Amino acid sequence: QKEVEQNSGPLSVPEGAIASLNCTYSDRGSQSFFWYRQYSGKSPELIMFIYSNGDKEDGRFTAQLNKASQYVSLLIRDSQPSDSATYLCAVASQSGGSYIPTFGRGTSLIVHP
Amino acid sequence: EAGVTQFPSHSVIEKGQTVTLRCDPISGHDNLYWYRRVMGKEIKFLLHFVKESKQDESGMPNNRFLAERTGGTYSTLKVQPAELEDSGVYFCASSQIGTPDTQYFGPGTRLTVL
Repeated sequence: QKEVEQNSGPLSVPEGAIASLNCTYSDRGSQSFFWYRQYSGKSPELIMFIYSNGDKEDGRFTAQLNKASQYVSLLIRDSQPSDSATYLCAVASQSGGSYIPTFGRGTSLIVHP
Repeated sequence: EAGVTQFPSHSVIEKGQTVTLRCDPISGHDNLYWYRRVMGKEIKFLLHFVKESKQDESGMPNNRFLAERTGGTYSTLKVQPAELEDSGVYFCASSQIGTPDTQYFGPGTRLTVL
């Protein structure tokens, strides 16, 4: 059974700080790694994806992947109150033409002014 | 460009009744996925269409669930008869062929079975 583990939080950080969200996964064959942001009552929104070991930066977001240790993290620099949401980690591998992600339960992030 | 839409947004039914959920993917997206999130649990995959064909339905919980995608456009997910454990939020997502990783999610249908 493929599993993706996340600390449910909440993770509380002050405005302007760096928020660090972590995720571990069980399937060593995983190929794609995603971070989704979900505001309360809304749909998940893809904010980052990463395929290779190392860092990938996009604006204030940096995704970090370490396949040997089977973890992926998301750093949010200069956190804003509008970043307050649940962040879902998802991990996928291709199987028979399908690319099906396995989701974690999410980490709740609160950015306080 | 319109996003993924789902109807209804909420549905409250009694155990034993039938409910049909609808998903309209983004125009031109041949991949369509159904997911479900039960309260307190993670989002779980149900099935994947490529156009009108079921590519993967390994996540469908049992034969009370029937998904269709006639003509390769919108999709329906029917639950018949509904049970209490079917309650949750049902999400639909779509993506383009060639970029299956980039899935766009709909707002979800919250199903409550009493």
